[in-house]
Amino acid sequence: ETGVTQSPTHLIKTRGQQVTLRCSSQSGHNTVSWYQQALGQGPQFIFQYYREEENGRGNFPPRFSGLQFPNYSSELNVNALELDDSALYLCASRGGTGSEYTQYFGPGTRLTVL
Amino acid sequence: KQEVTQIPAALSVPEGENLVLNCSFTDSAIYNLQWFRQDPGKGLTSLLLIQSSQREQTSGRLNASLDKSSGRSTLYIAASQPGDSATYLCAAYNQGGKLIFGQGTELSVKP
Repeated sequence: ETGVTQSPTHLIKTRGQQVTLRCSSQSGHNTVSWYQQALGQGPQFIFQYYREEENGRGNFPPRFSGLQFPNYSSELNVNALELDDSALYLCASRGGTGSEYTQYFGPGTRLTVL
Repeated sequence: KQEVTQIPAALSVPEGENLVLNCSFTDSAIYNLQWFRQDPGKGLTSLLLIQSSQREQTSGRLNASLDKSSGRSTLYIAASQPGDSATYLCAAYNQGGKLIFGQGTELSVKP
């Protein structure tokens, strides 16, 4: 157990809808990253938040957005859902933004878009 | 642009065998490299983190090596057990701490 929790565990939405996924980071961690993992693939970096500011973004469209709160928990919002958004969404937290800080992953949220 | 490749995509071995999983990366200027385990439908469990200045790390039956000059890392699993069956992912850290993952090797250890 890493101390990183995510909710909900599973979610089913229809195309065009909006979804919010939540992540509670490990105690003392101020940096949160989100990853998308399609079936049979490795995770792909979506974006990272450090002290409530976006601090790096991968190759994802603007309809993927996020927030980080003062307690360092985080949300991932996806608007106008598409079928290809079906994936496991992973949140990872760590104690800083440098590469010396190990990332600790949560169990993920499985999103299915019909 | 960093790319990470894992070969083979799938591997099946009998219990007790020693095995090696391979990971290659295109940019030798990586910072750290981390190996993860993922059980079906689950999140990632960190196995070993190799700092860029290190050449290997060991934990129990696992040993990971890093050769930046050749762009390779290996994960060695000794005396494999059915409980080792999972997908193993390697990931390279860039300067900002972003992880770039390979596609994983799906390992099956048969009793």
